[in-house]
Amino acid sequence: EAQVTQNPRYLITVTGKKLTVTCSQNMNHEYMSWYRQDPGLGLRQIYYSMNVEVTDKGDVPEGYKVSRKEKRNFPLILESPSPNQTSLYFCASSFYSPLNTEAFFGQGTRLTVV
Amino acid sequence: DAKTTQPTSMDCAEGRAANLPCNHSTISGNEYVYWYRQIHSQGPQYIIHGLKNNETNEMASLIITEDRKSSTLILPHATLRDTAVYYCIVRDDPSNTGKLIFGQGTTLQVKP
Repeated sequence: EAQVTQNPRYLITVTGKKLTVTCSQNMNHEYMSWYRQDPGLGLRQIYYSMNVEVTDKGDVPEGYKVSRKEKRNFPLILESPSPNQTSLYFCASSFYSPLNTEAFFGQGTRLTVV
Repeated sequence: DAKTTQPTSMDCAEGRAANLPCNHSTISGNEYVYWYRQIHSQGPQYIIHGLKNNETNEMASLIITEDRKSSTLILPHATLRDTAVYYCIVRDDPSNTGKLIFGQGTTLQVKP
């Protein structure tokens, strides 16, 4: 089954404790990205990657890091989480992004930083 | 900013067609119209997309006006499981970031 898998689904952590949210896709997609969703602000892009070893900042990259060492994986790293990073996070993937392609989303990771 | 305007909410009776409108008056010639939906904080799900012609798949139909300034998503026989937030997106990606710009969407409530 074609899918994007995120882990964990739920996470409660404390300020400053480094964490990683994993994302994996099985569709051989070149393009992957991370979004966060907050009430009243919709989904905003954090980082994206057009292929292995190619990453770039989205609209809200501060406080986040990513890596793309393999085509299927695109982990999101919070080196020193803060309460304002409490949010619902989604990973997405698609074939390399001409305008005519659909994106597949993971089921989300609900992160709470206390 | 999103380039689309949608009603905030709509109701539909179960088994009836749900018609969700979207205005995109500033759309340019090579921009596609996409529809996604999000069921209760799950990941957004692709529904359909089109450029000029009407499109139909197993989930829905997309009707785009001739001037392309508006479109309608049609769920032909809505079920309770179609209750979700529906997002109309005009795909504009001049910097090739692949970014999807989600507006506020339409909350569709399907009622028994």
